[in-house]
Amino acid sequence: DIQMTQSPSSLSASVGDRVTITCRASQSISSQLNWYQQKPGKAPKLLIYAASTLQSGVPSRFSGSGSGTDFTLTISSLQPEDFATYYCQQSYHSPRTFGQGTKVQIK
Amino acid sequence: QVQLQESGPGLVKPSETLSLTCTVSGGSVSSGSHYWSWIRQPPGMGLECIGFIYYSGTTNYNPSLKSRVTISVDTSKNQFSLKLSSVTAADTAVYYCAREQIVGPTGGYYYYYMDVWGEGTTVTVSS
Repeated sequence: DIQMTQSPSSLSASVGDRVTITCRASQSISSQLNWYQQKPGKAPKLLIYAASTLQSGVPSRFSGSGSGTDFTLTISSLQPEDFATYYCQQSYHSPRTFGQGTKVQIK
Repeated sequence: QVQLQESGPGLVKPSETLSLTCTVSGGSVSSGSHYWSWIRQPPGMGLECIGFIYYSGTTNYNPSLKSRVTISVDTSKNQFSLKLSSVTAADTAVYYCAREQIVGPTGGYYYYYMDVWGEGTTVTVSS
């Protein structure tokens, strides 16, 4: 299986901050990388697919970059509704695998 | 818009078989542009893909669960289902069904992403 490692595991930030989450794959996955947001008690929500394509309806403050093994999710100006857990997921090989998650908390 | 809804028992006894169904509305499981997936999340933990099925019946299972998993599709009912046998407490989780979009080829690649999810159903394994 392809292992996905996110960092940090958690972070504290303030509204308006720029936040960056990184995801590293154990082997090259081209651009086959997706990002999801999950709030407590809710299903994950797709934010970005193919490493950098914003899903329809997702605010433009979210962006993704990277290819190969190293990827980044950036929130340009953190909003109150962005406090959640974020997961990366590779779709290069089966089984699809997720990172362990990054919890974004209020400072 | 497409919606998915999981259904099934919330409590399963150890060694028995967990059975869940995902009903698709506003779309069709017979679409050639999608896989239909099951994902689970143990309490306080991360997400694990169980497997997926194509409308033709082709399946792909996580090797860690393959010996215990069966995913099937019923196009007449617009549903797909999960069976997980010989369950233990480690199978206690929220189980999600999801639609995996297939896009491409773009630049020689197909891209896959889970764009529609059910709300999830909690399954507890306990006697």
